[in-house]
Amino acid sequence: KNEVEQSPQNLTAQEGEFITINCSYSVGISALHWLQQHPGGGIVSLFMLSSGKKKHGRLIATINIQEKHSSLHITASHPRDSAVYICAVDGGTSYGKLTFGQGTILTVHP
Amino acid sequence: KAGVTQTPRYLIKTRGQQVTLSCSPISGHRSVSWYQQTPGQGLQFLFEYFSETQRNKGNFPGRFSGRQFSNSRSEMNVSTLELGDSALYLCASMDITSGNTIYFGEGSWLTVV
Repeated sequence: KNEVEQSPQNLTAQEGEFITINCSYSVGISALHWLQQHPGGGIVSLFMLSSGKKKHGRLIATINIQEKHSSLHITASHPRDSAVYICAVDGGTSYGKLTFGQGTILTVHP
Repeated sequence: KAGVTQTPRYLIKTRGQQVTLSCSPISGHRSVSWYQQTPGQGLQFLFEYFSETQRNKGNFPGRFSGRQFSNSRSEMNVSTLELGDSALYLCASMDITSGNTIYFGEGSWLTVV
């Protein structure tokens, strides 16, 4: 079993729909990152969480440390949100040693 | 501020050769980490450097090595290339004094033939 599990692996939505991507992890962490990767390779950090909830525009990320679970929500999805979303955990004293989920491929149709 | 810069962006090498990839972090960032991304294994941590010291290493063979210079620029080297080393190699930098947000470069696409 992987240390970081994401679901679903593939997600197709219509423009305007509310989207949720889940991430569960089995190790102790100091922080959890949500990343976005577009075709071509570049990765952008969307959120870094150690507790609670963060919001940026239409994106919301939550984390429950006790349950070892995090969710990324996209409200009013748009075709430009189509990308791979990756959850990554930082084990604390690991100095950049992120452990990654397998990614969720999101496609939003107009 | 300029972002994380990786060179070269694309390269093709032959089995048995070696390759050196370069990464210039965001100005002021002293932590630089390297990752390998393949379709089969996904993203995996290679190593992390801070102030010219390797602080952490992933589970890769000794053919994978790296270093960091006094200006925080980093290089990684892969010797005796194998077909399985074909991957996207990503560098990231982090400002540990302001919340550990991680910034990735565009990556270097390595094809081994």
